[in-house]
Amino acid sequence: TQLLEQSPQFLSIQEGENLTVYCNSSSVFSSLQWYRQEPGEGPVLLVTVVTGGEVKKLKRLTFQFGDARKDSSLHITAAQPGDTGLYLCAGEFETSGSRLTFGEGTQLTVNP
Amino acid sequence: DVKVTQSSRYLVKRTGEKVFLECVQDMDHENMFWYRQDPGLGLRLIYFSYDVKMKEKGDIPEGYSVSREKKERFSLILESASTNQTSMYLCASSLRHGGTISYGYTFGSGTRLTVV
Repeated sequence: TQLLEQSPQFLSIQEGENLTVYCNSSSVFSSLQWYRQEPGEGPVLLVTVVTGGEVKKLKRLTFQFGDARKDSSLHITAAQPGDTGLYLCAGEFETSGSRLTFGEGTQLTVNP
Repeated sequence: DVKVTQSSRYLVKRTGEKVFLECVQDMDHENMFWYRQDPGLGLRLIYFSYDVKMKEKGDIPEGYSVSREKKERFSLILESASTNQTSMYLCASSLRHGGTISYGYTFGSGTRLTVV
């Protein structure tokens, strides 16, 4: 089973601050996805990255995929209380078909 | 609005009971998955299915079985519930993997199961 490490596990910041969440593996991802989960709900897909070096933006969220396709980051600019939630990265590996491996998640709390 | 619907949000069952968790999707997705989510352990794959009447074991299949008699429905069965199966159970579906195209998962809202 391929492993996927996500850091930090917990993050508590003030409104307006910036933050970055990291996702790493020793294996090459064929694709990587980021999800956000709110309490009592299932994860919701934010973005999929496929190409090494790819950068995608979703309003104040910027997603990067490493050149070697072994790592990814999520950067939030000027965080707001509505960004509070559990952020999960999930990787697809070349031998795993449609099966995703999830990181443990980053619990983000943005304080007003 | 496309949906994955899990039959119960909360369940309390007794040790030794047979428990059925139902999941239905209305998106005509080929792939369906069952995960459990526990603090500090993340999402762990229990079983998945790429087609009707097809099933494959995930990372933690012990104590569970599944059934997929129709494309839209994927059931998780706890044969004899135990307290260590107390968890949040999440069902997801996705389109079949197509070459270089990667499809995201659509998750249900989850079932929080407590075994007493």
